[in-house]
Amino acid sequence: DSGVTQTPKHLITATGQRVTLRCSPRSGDLSVYWYQQSLDQGLQFLIQYYNGEERAKGNILERFSAQQFPDLHSELNLSSLELGDSALYFCASSSRLARAETQYFGPGTRLLVL
Amino acid sequence: AQKITQTQPGMFVQEKEAVTLDCTYDTSDPSYGLFWYKQPSSGEMIFLIYQGSYDQQNATEGRYSLNFQKARKSANLVISASQLGDSAMYFCAMREEQTGTASKLTFGTGTRLQVTL
Repeated sequence: DSGVTQTPKHLITATGQRVTLRCSPRSGDLSVYWYQQSLDQGLQFLIQYYNGEERAKGNILERFSAQQFPDLHSELNLSSLELGDSALYFCASSSRLARAETQYFGPGTRLLVL
Repeated sequence: AQKITQTQPGMFVQEKEAVTLDCTYDTSDPSYGLFWYKQPSSGEMIFLIYQGSYDQQNATEGRYSLNFQKARKSANLVISASQLGDSAMYFCAMREEQTGTASKLTFGTGTRLQVTL
């Protein structure tokens, strides 16, 4: 158990809908990262937050947005969903105090868009 | 741009044997970190081992060791005494070090390891 929690574990929805994925980082970790894992794109970085502020952006679609709240949990919002958004979405967290600021991953949310 | 290459889509190894999973990388940053993660069929990503670009010695964590050859830009994972539970997908990842907060990981395409009896 990495200490990072993600809810829900599974999500099935229809095209055009909007969903929210939730992540709680490990206790004390200020950085939260979101990654998408799909069959055709592999594992791709989406976005990073550090202590409530956006720090880095990757291949994140405009239909996707994220935020980190004062209690450090983070949410990834996916809107106008398309079939191609079906993927495993990971949240990871890290601490500047940990060696190499290793990123520890949550169990993921498996999203299926029908 | 940083890039990670894993050329072995799949590997087989017999139980109790050692296996090497290849990883090469490309970066222009002199300071970077290399990571290996394991993804079992259940889907979670498990951190295995880390190697810093300035580390003088190869990293080891239990049965995992990293064969780091900086000049060749390779960071191969060696698993000794393979166990059935080692069957999984293995990802090599790199992070270019930046001042301030941590930055993203760039992943390779992974190697699927199957341990046989």
